[in-house]
Amino acid sequence: GAVVSQHPSWVICKSGTSVKIECRSLDFQATTMFWYRQFPKQSLMLMATSNEGSKATYEQGVEKDKFLINHASLTLSTLTVTSAHPEDSSFYICSAPGQGGETQYFGPGTRLLVL
Amino acid sequence: GENVEQHPSTLSVQEGDSAVIKCTYSDSASNYFPWYKQELGKRPQLIIDIRSNVGEKKDQRIAVTLNKTAKHFSLHITETQPEDSAVYFCAAIEVKGPGANNLFFGTGTRLTVIP
Repeated sequence: GAVVSQHPSWVICKSGTSVKIECRSLDFQATTMFWYRQFPKQSLMLMATSNEGSKATYEQGVEKDKFLINHASLTLSTLTVTSAHPEDSSFYICSAPGQGGETQYFGPGTRLLVL
Repeated sequence: GENVEQHPSTLSVQEGDSAVIKCTYSDSASNYFPWYKQELGKRPQLIIDIRSNVGEKKDQRIAVTLNKTAKHFSLHITETQPEDSAVYFCAAIEVKGPGANNLFFGTGTRLTVIP
């Protein structure tokens, strides 16, 4: 079946630094990937839709200059949290739609802790 | 856009009893309704889904029902086991075709099965 990987799985950083998270579709191509943020005991909140070869589409309230998304190839999307602050600490998950557009394949998530 | 509500937020049942989680959606155009199970710190796992042209679907101890007229769908777990303990998310989506179809998630239900 389709597999999506994420790297790193865990990251701890100091406030003010930037963190890059990679999302890869391992055995299929994804022209679109989705980035979600999940705070403890809450649902998955869509942050942005990553589009291969074009600009990402951000959800209302998500700062595009803070959460930089690059979808450089059909198998890789990256999310960079710039100038991270403690309130950015969260669980970040990416997903990619399978063929047909229904099933979403989720990455294992990246837990970010900003000190 | 779509708005998905989910109830209850927490649910505790005795092992062997049944658990029911209910969701409502707002967009009548939604035509695909997956259910995800998420264990702590892990990615959401698709457990069952239903399309709008079907009223009920069953897979062993798990079943989902859909009422298009009332715009609600439910997850039923029978003969619950401790390993069913997790957070369950419903979702709704209007699948227009291959490509980007964003999932709208419910708020989640934390199910605890008491041995």
